[in-house]
Amino acid sequence: DVKVTQSSRYLVKRTGEKVFLECVQDMDHENMFWYRQDPGLGLRLIYFSYDVKMKEKGDIPEGYSVSREKKERFSLILESASTNQTSMYLCASSLWSRGGAQETQYFGPGTRLLVL
Amino acid sequence: GENVEQHPSTLSVQEGDSAVIKCTYSDSASNYFPWYKQELGKRPQLIIDIRSNVGEKKDQRIAVTLNKTAKHFSLHITETQPEDSAVYFCAASRSNNDMRFGAGTRLTVKP
Repeated sequence: DVKVTQSSRYLVKRTGEKVFLECVQDMDHENMFWYRQDPGLGLRLIYFSYDVKMKEKGDIPEGYSVSREKKERFSLILESASTNQTSMYLCASSLWSRGGAQETQYFGPGTRLLVL
Repeated sequence: GENVEQHPSTLSVQEGDSAVIKCTYSDSASNYFPWYKQELGKRPQLIIDIRSNVGEKKDQRIAVTLNKTAKHFSLHITETQPEDSAVYFCAASRSNNDMRFGAGTRLTVKP
């Protein structure tokens, strides 16, 4: 059974703080993703990584950075948190398919971040 | 890039009725179409998926149909039950790391 865990379920931070969100998966998946989920907007991709130390920008990378030092761990960093980054953050992972076909993404439980 | 539109945004049905949620996509190269169910306060979970070489797939009360020509796909839930109440997301993808999600449909099944 795939397990994707996130370090916090709820987080409250102040504007300007540096925020770290951690995600760990135990299925040896190559791909890892960070999304934010906002009402009426669905899930929007912030960053993804297809290998250790590799990262690609998603649709809304501004204000965020990521780190993948180990295969099982993918961190999302808010360098200087702002109120418009208040959201639900979801991590996901999937296998990388050599044929290029998309594999199922498995999600973590989410971190609800409030920036005051 | 890919753009996925999902309708309706909210859907309310009586228990036992059917529910249909529709999604359209823009990128004709998309070849993988999963559906996720997200219950309140929980993570999205895959409930069914379909690849572009198949027109229909069924799993008990859930079915998905794909029309590649029209670039739309639909989720059908028959004999709905209160526990089907959740937010449902469709998605479309053309490659390993390029999945686009619809905005979601909040389904309410009234007992």
